[in-house]
Amino acid sequence: AQTVTQSQPEMSVQEAETVTLSCTYDTSESDYYLFWYKQPPSRQMILVIRQEAYKQQNATENRFSVNFQKAAKSFSLKISDSQLGDAAMYFCACVKTSYDKVIFGPGTSLSVIP
Amino acid sequence: DAGVTQSPTHLIKTRGQHVTLRCSPISGHKSVSWYQQVLGQGPQFIFQYYEKEERGRGNFPDRFSARQFPNYSSELNVNALLLGDSALYLCASSWGMINEQFFGPGTRLTVL
Repeated sequence: AQTVTQSQPEMSVQEAETVTLSCTYDTSESDYYLFWYKQPPSRQMILVIRQEAYKQQNATENRFSVNFQKAAKSFSLKISDSQLGDAAMYFCACVKTSYDKVIFGPGTSLSVIP
Repeated sequence: DAGVTQSPTHLIKTRGQHVTLRCSPISGHKSVSWYQQVLGQGPQFIFQYYEKEERGRGNFPDRFSARQFPNYSSELNVNALLLGDSALYLCASSWGMINEQFFGPGTRLTVL
């Protein structure tokens, strides 16, 4: 069974600084997708970034980048130049390419300090 | 373009009752997934429908059922409600089965 673990229930970062959110996962699949989702207090879940497991290059979306370590089954999210609008719950998720179910982690609550 | 819409926004039911939650995907999206998010936890996958067929099912009892209509909208039904069914129910749509999922605002269900 697939599992996703986020070991940091809460994190905080100073505005304009960089923060890294951790995620580890366990899957027996060789091909899968990994995602980071953001859920602001208004509840709407938004996709931040995605990574295909077969790609060695780490995904990047503007201020957001990942450190994908396939052998270690680690998928961390780095947020650079943190902004007040980055404050939210962040969820790491995994799905195998044959598509069975998307497995979400328990989330990390990120606070941004002005 | 309108995003994913869900109705109702909030719902209060009592134990043993039945509830129907509705979801309209983004125009052109053929896949709809349902998730249950208990307060303080990550979303738990319930169902995925693609082209009106069930393509995935999470570890939920048979009290939970869903369907997708020809216009790709979807309903989630929960029978014999339990207190533990109180949660935010999220619907997500995507063009295909593994494309980016776009989430709706959710339906907050409270079971008393």
